[in-house]
Amino acid sequence: AQSVAQPEDQVNVAEGNPLTVKCTYSVSGNPYLFWYVQYPNRGLQFLLKYITGDNLVKGSYGFEAEFNKSQTSFHLKKPSALVSDSALYFCACYSSGNTGKLIFGQGTTLQVKP
Amino acid sequence: SQTIHQWPATLVQPVGSPLSLECTVEGTSNPNLYWYRQAAGRGLQLLFYSVGIGQISSEVPQNLSASRPQDRQFILSSKKLLLSDSGFYLCAWSPHNTEAFFGQGTRLTVV
Repeated sequence: AQSVAQPEDQVNVAEGNPLTVKCTYSVSGNPYLFWYVQYPNRGLQFLLKYITGDNLVKGSYGFEAEFNKSQTSFHLKKPSALVSDSALYFCACYSSGNTGKLIFGQGTTLQVKP
Repeated sequence: SQTIHQWPATLVQPVGSPLSLECTVEGTSNPNLYWYRQAAGRGLQLLFYSVGIGQISSEVPQNLSASRPQDRQFILSSKKLLLSDSGFYLCAWSPHNTEAFFGQGTRLTVV
């Protein structure tokens, strides 16, 4: 069955430090992977995606993510965190076998402290 | 450019009343359409998705139904709301095989 897991409910980092938000997936076929960010009481904003090609993808606001097929992971990273990065982050996935079904992980709250 | 409209932004409904939430997309054709529910600011539960008119996939047995009467219109309905239907409902669309774009959401409170 298709699934996405975000093992951490919350990640705390100090401003200026690097951050990582973890995501693993399970699909049949090739995965199409995405990261989104959500601010309180708002819809989701797209950050970046992996469809094919380079395993390291770059997105909005200085975020990047690395696709690792052997570990079935797609971790979100940023070299230097900002307080304004504090938000709820979601990993999402289609399977190439069913590109209609887009499922999300449970979300990770990122807290960046000054 | 493409835009998605979802309304209303907030809704308070009594238990047992009907529900209709509407979502429309402009500037594209034959999009994938989605309804999600988010409880308590956490994960997104996929409720329904549609890859074309008349094609609705239901992910979770529940008190809700969805319809796609036009190519760019997606409606979430219930005949009788339950307290457990309260939550934040999000509509989204995507071109096939790529990222989805979300509406601003509807905060539903069933009282």
